[in-house]
Amino acid sequence: ETGVTQTPRHLVMGMTNKKSLKCEQHLGHNAMYWYKQSAKKPLELMFVYNFKEQTENNSVPSRFSPECPNSSHLFLHLHTLQPEDSALYLCASRDRDPPNSPLHFGNGTRLTVT
Amino acid sequence: DQQVKQNSPSLSVQEGRISILNCDYTNSMFDYFLWYKKYPAEGPTFLISISSIKDKNEDGRFTVFLNKSAKHLSLHIVPSQPGDSAVYFCAASAQTSYDKVIFGPGTSLSVIP
Repeated sequence: ETGVTQTPRHLVMGMTNKKSLKCEQHLGHNAMYWYKQSAKKPLELMFVYNFKEQTENNSVPSRFSPECPNSSHLFLHLHTLQPEDSALYLCASRDRDPPNSPLHFGNGTRLTVT
Repeated sequence: DQQVKQNSPSLSVQEGRISILNCDYTNSMFDYFLWYKKYPAEGPTFLISISSIKDKNEDGRFTVFLNKSAKHLSLHIVPSQPGDSAVYFCAASAQTSYDKVIFGPGTSLSVIP
């Protein structure tokens, strides 16, 4: 496996369910990110982890809970979501040296909340 | 309020001609700009970037131009190929936090054979 891998690719869940999105990067990067892309809207940054430490929480509701057990894995735990949370969730990673190095994205998880 | 704007949701160009995708930004603190390309069912992939100390950066068929005084950048693709059909996102970040990359809404480019 190379690059950034996200599972599952598609997820349908009810509002009372609990589910988790998984992301794994095989690039040796030291920073990982969660982005959300809703229909007709720009990508929105949700969370940033540097060396496993969360450094950014972009005012995300607590029903989204990230976890970064090591620099290669990132999870997004979901519980009691709302239909408006239906979106494409993208994981990305990058090496913070040089500081402006680009993001490498996974193919995303298409989430539908019913 | 969007800090990075791409006012053309879509663009159609004949194969072999030039594609010009535009992007405007409002935050004068932005000093690094990137373009990403996205095919359906795939994540965005990095295409080309430019620092605010430059006004042009070229990579093969792709050239990005930056006009800081106008807070405007553009991506030129010459010659356009059908495989270039994708959504193109303009993105910007500031030295204060390169982790916070702000994306535009994207422009869908169709290159017609």
